[in-house]
Amino acid sequence: QKEVEQNSGPLSVPEGAIASLNCTYSDRGSQSFFWYRQYSGKSPELIMFIYSNGDKEDGRFTAQLNKASQYVSLLIRDSQPSDSATYLCAPFGSYQLIWGAGTKLIIKP
Amino acid sequence: DVKVTQSSRYLVKRTGEKVFLECVQDMDHENMFWYRQDPGLGLRLIYFSYDVKMKEKGDIPEGYSVSREKKERFSLILESASTNQTSMYLCASSLKFGELFFGEGSRLTVL
Repeated sequence: QKEVEQNSGPLSVPEGAIASLNCTYSDRGSQSFFWYRQYSGKSPELIMFIYSNGDKEDGRFTAQLNKASQYVSLLIRDSQPSDSATYLCAPFGSYQLIWGAGTKLIIKP
Repeated sequence: DVKVTQSSRYLVKRTGEKVFLECVQDMDHENMFWYRQDPGLGLRLIYFSYDVKMKEKGDIPEGYSVSREKKERFSLILESASTNQTSMYLCASSLKFGELFFGEGSRLTVL
């Protein structure tokens, strides 16, 4: 069974700090990794993806990938209250996304 | 902007009823998906389609069927609704693998 593990949270971070969201996966065949954000009562929306080991930056967001450790993370710098949401990690497996249950992030003003 | 429209935001049905959930996308995407989302379980794939008239079972197809007669439309059918099918149903479309665009969701309650 291919699995994706995320800490369900809630993860509480002060406004302006760095939020660090972590994800481990079991499918060594996964080659690409996606982060989706889901606001309460809304649908998921894609915020970032990463294919190669290392870091990928997009504005305040940085995705980090370590395939040897089967670990992917999302850093949010200068966290804002509008970043409060559930963040879903989704490696792309043999033919489909494999979804984690998500980490709930709360940014405290 | 990609728009994925699900026909009903909220539905209440009785056990044994046949339920149709419609999904339409306007960006000529080849790929369409139906998921259900339940608290603590994450997104679970019910069915997907990579082309018109093509369908593939996902992880939890039991009790569901789908129809894709036109490229832009992907319908989910519950032949005989049961209480354990009470859930949020999400339709998505994509052009590139992994880059999904979701509809607003259909919250189904089966009594």
